[in-house]
Amino acid sequence: AQSVTQPDIHITVSEGASLELRCNYSYGATPYLFWYVQSPGQGLQLLLKYFSGDTLVQGIKGFEAEFKRSQSSFNLRKPSVHWSDAAEYFCAVGARRGFGNEKLTFGTGTRLTIIP
Amino acid sequence: NAGVTQTPKFQVLKTGQSMTLQCAQDMNHNSMYWYRQDPGMGLRLIYYSASEGTTDKGEVPNGYNVSRLNKREFSLRLESAAPSQTSVYFCASMYVAGGVWTQYFGPGTRLLVL
Repeated sequence: AQSVTQPDIHITVSEGASLELRCNYSYGATPYLFWYVQSPGQGLQLLLKYFSGDTLVQGIKGFEAEFKRSQSSFNLRKPSVHWSDAAEYFCAVGARRGFGNEKLTFGTGTRLTIIP
Repeated sequence: NAGVTQTPKFQVLKTGQSMTLQCAQDMNHNSMYWYRQDPGMGLRLIYYSASEGTTDKGEVPNGYNVSRLNKREFSLRLESAAPSQTSVYFCASMYVAGGVWTQYFGPGTRLLVL
């Protein structure tokens, strides 16, 4: 079965600084990979996703992520964070097991705090 | 286009009571899902439905039942609520086409079991 590890429970970054959130996955083949963001009291919003092709994926709100097969990683990056980026971020992996079996496994999340 | 809607938004139950969480999507998606979110645990899949008329267990199905009433609606039932079921419940639907998956989430239902 697939699994996802987000090693950082909580990260604090100054406004304007760069950001990298880590995500490692375990799966025997090339997975589907996702990053979601959740603001307090809200549902989850998709930031970006990787299925195939270019390993550097651009998303909404200025985020990007890079799929590195050799490291089993899909880290999320942003060159300059804004106070509105404070939220919880979830990495998720989907296993390609055929039609009718599309399920995601989520990591435990990383809470991002932005300081002025 | 409302996307994925959930009712109620918030509910308080006493141990042993039953309730049904409702979910509907208007995007004509085949797949629908129920997750629970607990602090430090991320989202865990309770049940999912790949199409109308089919349901399958996820990671944490014990204490729950589901019904895929039609293509739009997927309900989650707690027959005898327990304090361990205090959580935030999210419904989601997924668009699958051409090897691309896009999952959409509802706003969540906060459930407190006393």
